[in-house]
Amino acid sequence: QIQLVQSGPELKKPGESLKISCKASGYTFTDYAMQWVKQAPGKGLQYMGWINTQTGKPTYADDFKERFVFSLETSASTAYLQINNLKNEDTATYFCARGIADWGQGVMVTVSS
Amino acid sequence: DIQMTQSPSSLPASLGDRVTITCRASQDIGNYLRWFQQKPGKSPRLMIYGATNLAAGVPSRFSGSRSGSDYSLTISSLESEDMADYYCLQSKESPLTFGSGTKLEIK
Repeated sequence: QIQLVQSGPELKKPGESLKISCKASGYTFTDYAMQWVKQAPGKGLQYMGWINTQTGKPTYADDFKERFVFSLETSASTAYLQINNLKNEDTATYFCARGIADWGQGVMVTVSS
Repeated sequence: DIQMTQSPSSLPASLGDRVTITCRASQDIGNYLRWFQQKPGKSPRLMIYGATNLAAGVPSRFSGSRSGSDYSLTISSLESEDMADYYCLQSKESPLTFGSGTKLEIK
């Protein structure tokens, strides 16, 4: 069956960087785009953008054009989200989603000094 | 960007009630509308795609409809397991945009 398994929770300080992984199984990785979605504590879902798994080209929503990087390791059927220069407002759960239909379990990121 | 205006933000309801949640699109999105259910601490679950199509495994008490730029999710007879947050999403054009969410809770 289709599975998206994300890496574990992260606790970081402002200014640090992190890289979240999303490992896909149960389908051909390059057949579907991978989307990323942010959910701040107690808030709604916010679309971050997507990466073309065939070409590796990322597309970012306006709020995520700085400091955020989508990447792939196609041989490992894995997508990555890197966040640079972390800020307190990056505290959230980050989801990957195959074709915005099947979702990973989410990664809780806490940014605190 | 396309704006999705979702209402109500909170919906107290009783078991067995028929409930409806609505999203209005700021531009034409055709039938590129999905509904998600999210329970606390869980990932969103796709309930409806293409505005009216039930996703696999979703109970038949859920349905989606469209009237012009208004899209609705209806639960015909509320069950306790339906208590959750619900979000619409337009996938007509990038950036995709979510509605602000509806918290469905027991009255």
